[in-house]
Amino acid sequence: DGGITQSPKYLFRKEGQNVTLSCEQNLNHDAMYWYRQDPGQGLRLIYYSQIVNDFQKGDIAEGYSVSREKKESFPLTVTSAQKNPTAFYLCASSPRTGSSYEQYFGPGTRLTVT
Amino acid sequence: KNQVEQSPQSLIILEGKNCTLQCNYTVSPFSNLRWYKQDTGRGPVSLTIMTFSENTKSNGRYTATLDADTKQSSLHITASQLSDSASYICVVTVLSGGYNKLIFGAGTRLAVHP
Repeated sequence: DGGITQSPKYLFRKEGQNVTLSCEQNLNHDAMYWYRQDPGQGLRLIYYSQIVNDFQKGDIAEGYSVSREKKESFPLTVTSAQKNPTAFYLCASSPRTGSSYEQYFGPGTRLTVT
Repeated sequence: KNQVEQSPQSLIILEGKNCTLQCNYTVSPFSNLRWYKQDTGRGPVSLTIMTFSENTKSNGRYTATLDADTKQSSLHITASQLSDSASYICVVTVLSGGYNKLIFGAGTRLAVHP
């Protein structure tokens, strides 16, 4: 059963704690992405990776970190430096980063920090 | 500034009725325009993708139009069903160096009532 999985679906953390969100894909896609979705706003790009061991900052990378040690996995760490971490986080993948390639999204993780 | 604006923000229709959602964009250089459907608490799923030369694309009861001259797109839903209740997101791809950046609209939230 191919696709993108994100875990957990809901995550609760105390302020000041780092937290890591998981994203795995078995679509054999080279490119992976992390987005943040807030109410009333469009998705915003946090980080993307075009290939293993490479990743680039998106529009709102401050307070986040990523790694891409394996093709299938692109975990996102929300650090204590992120001022407003409560949001819905979406991971996506595409065969390449070219404009003709569709991005396929995971089911998302809702993070709540109190 | 690259922007995608959608209207209306929300819409309520009765089951079986048709509706049209609007998308205006100021994005350059333009690569393509996509419409996604996002169920509450889930990841977006692609409905259509149109390039500069295409002015209409259908996917079942969903028909998207694109006017590249006026930079407007619409998504028409025919014979609505309860399962059409979701947010519909307009996304425009910008050609930007080696990475083709996606600009997301904030979405139109559609509720179909029996």
